[in-house]
This record gives sequence, structure tokens and C-alpha cells, in this order.
Amino acid sequence: GQNIDQPTEMTATEGAIVQINCTYQTSGFNGLFWYQQHAGEAPTFLSYNVLDGLEEKGRFSSFLSRSKGYSYLLLKELQMKDSASYLCAVRDRGGNTPLVFGKGTRLSVIA
Amino acid sequence: ETGVTQTPRHLVMGMTNKKSLKCEQHLGHNAMYWYKQSAKKPLELMFVYNFKEQTENNSVPSRFSPECPNSSHLFLHLHTLQPEDSALYLCASSQPSSGGYNQPQHFGDGTRLSIL
Repeated sequence: GQNIDQPTEMTATEGAIVQINCTYQTSGFNGLFWYQQHAGEAPTFLSYNVLDGLEEKGRFSSFLSRSKGYSYLLLKELQMKDSASYLCAVRDRGGNTPLVFGKGTRLSVIA
Repeated sequence: ETGVTQTPRHLVMGMTNKKSLKCEQHLGHNAMYWYKQSAKKPLELMFVYNFKEQTENNSVPSRFSPECPNSSHLFLHLHTLQPEDSALYLCASSQPSSGGYNQPQHFGDGTRLSIL
């Protein structure tokens, strides 16, 4: 079966750095995605990794290790508006196929 | 604005009612998806359409009936739903990989459905 694990909740302080981990066991692997979802809104695409290593995009970075089935999302210089759920998702097949999602990590940024 | 519009945003219906959810994408994508999002559960894939043809049905009960008249529009027809069907229903679209880059799915804001 497909399994994607991430912590349920995390709390971090404004201005700090937080790392949200994701581990996956899927029948195939064709890329890992991170999404941000504010309450009552659409999940919005943050990052994509298909090769091992770190992808940096402003305050957000995402890391992938395919041999370990592991990824993390790193958020720097946290802002209050970063309070949201962060969804880890894997495309387990090639082509234009749907993603398999984890349950999401609810991040609360406090002053 | 994600380019994917869902209506209505909120829907309350009784178990014997019939209603429809609508999704429209303005991104020129050729694949569309319905997902169900319940509290403390991962997004659950329901249906996939590619070029208007249904390519996946993830063992969804027949009280949910999808329709895709063209690549830009997707409907989810609801009939005699159960209280456990109360959830956020998300529509998404995507296009095939380009230049080796795996294209993400783009989501609408969802319809919050409550079954009385």
C-alpha cells in the first residue's frame, strides 16, 4: 500500500526556522510535492523534488533523499501568515497521474 | 486565485436531496480530479478525468456521480448522501509533464458539504 507520514502538529516562533519532515513508502516514485493550505482555502503548490538534494525557493526549501524515502520542508524567518497546514504528496506513477497525500502538518506560528 | 473555481463554496443538504458541485479550470489543463478532504485524514482521490474520459474511479460509492462535459468543466452529482459524506470536496487540474518537469496539481478552494 501507499503510506506517507508527517507530524500532525507543530508550533514555532515568529522569526525562527522550522523543519517539517515527511517519510513515504509508495509502490513507485515520480516526484514529491509540498503544498500549503490555509484554513478554508485551496492547497497551493510550494515545491517539487524528484532528484536527491535541496531545492531552495526564497524562505522555503525542500529536501529529498530517495534512498531513505524522506523529505523535509524548511521554512525560514517564520511569519504569522505561515500558520497553515503543509501537505506532503508523492506522484507514484508516471505521466499525468494523481498525487498521494499525507495527512498534513498543521503549523502554528506564535509571537 | 488558483485558476480553478469551485461552486458553491458551502452546501448543506438532507440525505434525500440531489445536488451538484461544479468545478471550472481556466488553465488549459487536460486532466481534472475530485478529492475528498475529511478532518484528520489525507486527501482521498475520488475520480480522475483525462481529456474528458474517466480514467480512475477510486472505489467511490455510486451516490457520487461525476460528469466531465469538456476539459475545462467537471461536475460531481450527489444523491442520497450519508452523514459521513460531510467533508470538503476539492477539485484539481493538471497538465502532462513538460521538459522532464513533473507538473503539480492546481486546486480550487473546495466545497464544504454538510449532510443533515
